[in-house]
Amino acid sequence: GESVGLHLPTLSVQEGDNSIINCAYSNSASDYFIWYKQESGKGPQFIIDIRSNMDKRQGQRVTVLLNKTVKHLSLQIAATQPGDSAVYFCAENTGGFKTIFGAGTRLFVKA
Amino acid sequence: EAQVTQNPRYLITVTGKKLTVTCSQNMNHEYMSWYRQDPGLGLRQIYYSMNVEVTDKGDVPEGYKVSRKEKRNFPLILESPSPNQTSLYFCASSGTRAETGQPQHFGDGTRLSIL
Repeated sequence: GESVGLHLPTLSVQEGDNSIINCAYSNSASDYFIWYKQESGKGPQFIIDIRSNMDKRQGQRVTVLLNKTVKHLSLQIAATQPGDSAVYFCAENTGGFKTIFGAGTRLFVKA
Repeated sequence: EAQVTQNPRYLITVTGKKLTVTCSQNMNHEYMSWYRQDPGLGLRQIYYSMNVEVTDKGDVPEGYKVSRKEKRNFPLILESPSPNQTSLYFCASSGTRAETGQPQHFGDGTRLSIL
């Protein structure tokens, strides 16, 4: 079936280091991808998005990379801070208005 | 402040007792959606609505109903709740443009426990 998944359920990094969170998707027709951050007790919060006609997009301290050849998406967080500790989800729009989320990766930032 | 508001935030109820979770957004968004979140499964889409009186099924619609009579409100209805509907529920909204895809704004969730 079509799914969005993550390679690592938990990631632990040292404060100040860069973090990379990976995501694999299986629907080659998906044209829009989003990363969300979810803190404890809250709903997911938009971080950054990318459309299928792009390979890379940068925001403030975050970069999303899209490799359509291998159906892979990654989120890079530069100079990771304690406030970055959360669960991160990738999501894809499969065409129209349906959205599929990955299972999530929990990021721990060690001080 | 732009927000999506869900009520109640927590509810413990019994099997078979009809319940409604309300969702309201103040951003004049056309698109609204309901998700459930279960450990290890991420968020799964239940129903979504593209505009007033226009709704469609997501991936896990069984046991749920929705309605969209007004643009700002999108209630989730469980006519006869069962224990397998115990979960954390999120409502979300986004605007729509000619191209598909916009980031969604999420509420803070409703935790339902059905005994």
